[in-house]
Amino acid sequence: AQKITQTQPGMFVQEKEAVTLDCTYDTSDQSYGLFWYKQPSSGEMIFLIYQGSYDEQNATEGRYSLNFQKARKSANLVISASQLGDSAMYFCAMREQRDDKIIFGKGTRLHILP
Amino acid sequence: NAGVMQNPRHLVRRRGQEARLRCSPMKGHSHVYWYRQLPEEGLKFMVYLQKENIIDESGMPKERFSAEFPKEGPSILRIQQVVRGDSAAYFCASSPSRGLEGLGNQPQHFGDGTRLSIL
Repeated sequence: AQKITQTQPGMFVQEKEAVTLDCTYDTSDQSYGLFWYKQPSSGEMIFLIYQGSYDEQNATEGRYSLNFQKARKSANLVISASQLGDSAMYFCAMREQRDDKIIFGKGTRLHILP
Repeated sequence: NAGVMQNPRHLVRRRGQEARLRCSPMKGHSHVYWYRQLPEEGLKFMVYLQKENIIDESGMPKERFSAEFPKEGPSILRIQQVVRGDSAAYFCASSPSRGLEGLGNQPQHFGDGTRLSIL
């Protein structure tokens, strides 16, 4: 079974609109961490935001926020006021308490239109 | 991504040659992870090392691939007798400690990757 599911292979969004990138996860651990990474066309992996399973508040980092719905095992990334530079691949990822590796989803390719 | 240094950035090899990929973790980080990314895919875990120890190699192919993290110097991912299917981007990440206790808001920090092309 997929541990991380990103159902949107690609998205096109108008500049300045808000964007929601979907992510659902599957784990039986009580303690885990959820991440979002951005990969622009240049290829590097850029950490965006982190949510711990015990964090009561949704994580926010500038224009990025993570809509964490624990009961639904959902960790959607919200980008407010999108910019052309937000065009990239976005990966949702999880790290479980019992493990050291990060498990990645297949990614969503986001295109911001001028 | 400043801090985790990978080299070379691009590597071209012919089938049957050896590929050596290097990774220097961020200062103060003693845990190194290698991931492979095939085109249009997410990253897949390969191996987790601490200094002089392989902790988890569950994602490593059984043959031709090896990794080390010596007491001195960078971590090395070595691929012997490369084949076309080894063409991928290989990423190294580091973290200061093990497990979620070491995470907080400090995730694994990734290097810029090595793009390996097999002719």
